[in-house]
Amino acid sequence: ETGVTQSPTHLIKTRGQQVTLRCSSQSGHNTVSWYQQALGQGPQFIFQYYREEENGRGNFPPRFSGLQFPNYSSELNVNALELDDSALYLCASSLAPGRQHTQYFGPGTRLTVL
Amino acid sequence: AQTVTQSQPEMSVQEAETVTLSCTYDTSENNYYLFWYKQPPSRQMILVIRQEAYKQQNATENRFSVNFQKAAKSFSLKISDSQLGDTAMYFCAFMKPANSGGGADGLTFGKGTHLIIQP
Repeated sequence: ETGVTQSPTHLIKTRGQQVTLRCSSQSGHNTVSWYQQALGQGPQFIFQYYREEENGRGNFPPRFSGLQFPNYSSELNVNALELDDSALYLCASSLAPGRQHTQYFGPGTRLTVL
Repeated sequence: AQTVTQSQPEMSVQEAETVTLSCTYDTSENNYYLFWYKQPPSRQMILVIRQEAYKQQNATENRFSVNFQKAAKSFSLKISDSQLGDTAMYFCAFMKPANSGGGADGLTFGKGTHLIIQP
């Protein structure tokens, strides 16, 4: 069984740039959720994708957007980067909402915005 | 909106001791799920244990067990016979069912407790 993978591991960008982070879900999982974890804090929910559509969203502005592909992998896109976007971005996969709620996390992407 | 509070920023115990991490939450939901996740310094979040609110029996997973008090909205984690590899950040998390309306809310996490196991 393949676990959740994320790429890249680390990323450095400058303010105003755009970034794309990638996630491959665990084998058999079709739901992907994204979280932002600032230093010393618990993760905060950004959004969830199920069947290639956004299934729920946390308190994040529209410049945070995502995609899910037919193979259930997902992308997180952040436009107009701000310094406060510096964080660890975690992807988690799970079975379809309503059937199984346990989310399994990837290793994360560390984004630094200068 | 749900909130999760972990009142112990850091705890330190000796190897082989038993330690209990506290978690309280606030919700108006009757049915929900509670989780404890572990995040070692390597940073990958690992599921420790999960509890469904409709189950009265406390969940256990080997050395890990919970004390779930629904009326008090309390969900503590007990680690028995602690080991050096238990050193990590521990996060308590809440999730309401996806079919409770309004789409998925994802997991709501507390700020975490840094657990240090001393040799």
